[in-house]
Amino acid sequence: RKEVEQDPGPFNVPEGATVAFNCTYSNSASQSFFWYRQDCRKEPKLLMSVYSSGNEDGRFTAQLNRASQYISLLIRDSKLSDSATYLCVLRDYKLSFGAGTTVTVRA
Amino acid sequence: DVKVTQSSRYLVKRTGEKVFLECVQDMDHENMFWYRQDPGLGLRLIYFSYDVKMKEKGDIPEGYSVSREKKERFSLILESASTNQTSMYLCASSRNNEKLFFGSGTQLSVL
Repeated sequence: RKEVEQDPGPFNVPEGATVAFNCTYSNSASQSFFWYRQDCRKEPKLLMSVYSSGNEDGRFTAQLNRASQYISLLIRDSKLSDSATYLCVLRDYKLSFGAGTTVTVRA
Repeated sequence: DVKVTQSSRYLVKRTGEKVFLECVQDMDHENMFWYRQDPGLGLRLIYFSYDVKMKEKGDIPEGYSVSREKKERFSLILESASTNQTSMYLCASSRNNEKLFFGSGTQLSVL
């Protein structure tokens, strides 16, 4: 089983829609969790950290469920500029990346 | 702003060649990493380093070696390139337990 698993998508949504997706992980010792964003042919960049109590950053909401070993990302009021691949990242003694979920927002 | 610079954006090499991928960061970060990214597989860690002259194997070190003689520079070496090493290679750096900063990547094609 992969250490980090994501639905690859793509999730095709209209502007203004809400889109949400999960990431499951197998290592219960994972200490920290993150969402990175990667645009086409670009390097990944940190979108947000994920805290146990859940956290928001503008239109983005991240949740962590340790019991079921998954994290989630929800994007409200989608913009065209949200089109990207979203990478789930876990840290224990190293960082482990998921393969990414592709989101395409259409006009 | 942190800058992580990879020496080449695109590289084409022949099977059996020795290949050097260079990465330099300008923020005095302790940690440096080499990943490769392939469609459907995500980023996989090849090697990482927590300090000068220190190196640790990641998940897929076979066929690769690294060198960190200076804090700012972390080199990835393919001793004898093979076609299955065709990939996007991403270098990253960070302070301890802080976010990663990535270089813009090197797309390596081995023919």
